Amino acid sequence: DAKTTQPNSMESNEEEPVHLPCNHSTISGTDYIHWYRQLPSQGPEYVIHGLTSNVNNRMASLAIAEDRKSSTLILHRATLRDAAVYYCILIGNNDMRFGAGTRLTVKP
Amino acid sequence: DAGITQSPRHKVTETGTPVTLRCHQTENHRYMYWYRQDPGHGLRLIHYSYGVKDTDKGEVSDGYSVSRSKTEDFLLTLESATSSQTSVYFCAISESTSDYNEQFFGPGTRLTVL
Repeated sequence: DAKTTQPNSMESNEEEPVHLPCNHSTISGTDYIHWYRQLPSQGPEYVIHGLTSNVNNRMASLAIAEDRKSSTLILHRATLRDAAVYYCILIGNNDMRFGAGTRLTVKP
Repeated sequence: DAGITQSPRHKVTETGTPVTLRCHQTENHRYMYWYRQDPGHGLRLIHYSYGVKDTDKGEVSDGYSVSRSKTEDFLLTLESATSSQTSVYFCAISESTSDYNEQFFGPGTRLTVL
């Protein structure tokens, strides 16, 4: 079973920030928090990951709660190309279990 | 893009026939994975390999076997295909354990078992 809980869907306007939440209340001390996204008819694509501290890369930012029981993926300026299913995944000991993810719709 | 190819990309077969899917990488990554994805679900891990001839089961391994005789190739075999194995199959690779390394995914193979 997936160890994370995400909203089924979210909408955003183009060029506005998007905050995608994820709850993982049963996270263990050694689990990494990863985010992947999947565009239509493609394989998943890595977005970002972290352990305890907030992380930034060219695609997004990851904000991790102090107790690590939740995290938020932040897309700073959504574009139409960001429309995808976003998966929040906990990975420990190479055990990687996807949930159903959040389908992000970006409106022009 | 990471050098990962899957073959075939599409296959239709009949119940009871054997099927082998191939994943080929040019990145020399140690870890390789096979997932399946069904409508409305995320991906589920079938098997993975952490080196030549080293494999382990994933979440949904029943009815599947794998082999890795070379670093670059990871084969998924359905010994006797069933309709419940109709799915999209994705191969992935990672340089090391996926705990803190990203996985790169292939384009997928759509398998239909009639």
